[in-house]
Amino acid sequence: DAGVTQSPTHLIKTRGQQVTLRCSPKSGHDTVSWYQQALGQGPQFIFQYYEEEERQRGNFPDRFSGHQFPNYSSELNVNALLLGDSALYLCASSGQTVEAFFGQGTRLTVV
Amino acid sequence: ELKVEQNPLFLSMQEEKNYTIYCNYSTTSDRLYWYRQDPGKSLESLFVLLSNGAVKQEGRLMASLDTKARLSTLHITAAVHDLSATYFCAGASSGTYKYIFGTGTRLKVLA
Repeated sequence: DAGVTQSPTHLIKTRGQQVTLRCSPKSGHDTVSWYQQALGQGPQFIFQYYEEEERQRGNFPDRFSGHQFPNYSSELNVNALLLGDSALYLCASSGQTVEAFFGQGTRLTVV
Repeated sequence: ELKVEQNPLFLSMQEEKNYTIYCNYSTTSDRLYWYRQDPGKSLESLFVLLSNGAVKQEGRLMASLDTKARLSTLHITAAVHDLSATYFCAGASSGTYKYIFGTGTRLKVLA
């Protein structure tokens, strides 16, 4: 079992650009959540996808959008990047149990 | 909305000493999680606590939950250097799917 996998691991983008991050959930999991973790902070919930629909959303602007595919993998898209979007982006997958498992994250740097 | 607070934020302790990290939360939380994060890495699940009075132990770490006091503790027994990391607690309210994380406790065990 590969666990939760994210790509890419590191990314550098320029202000104003757009970025897409990808996540493959753990085998048997059908729910994917995305979190943003700024340096020195706890992760902040962005949104969660289940059955290809956004099920719940945190306090993030519409520049943050996502998608879930029929194979349960997911993408996080961020438009019009700001310097403040620099963070570690974590994907978490879950299934029938109450526990979520996190991927290794994508470190996004906006310059 | 659920709020989660941890203390202390920083903890420097000597090897072989005991200490406790506290996690307070503001409203009813269905479940309480503890995670470990090493620098630049993702979150490693340590414990999931689901009911009042729950106690779980793994090696030198023991977590407990008091839902009446809205308090969870992570107790470290006879610390060793390998336990140096940042520890997060997270809660999740009934009917929601997002985890609310504390700000983390950065633990450093000194030889």
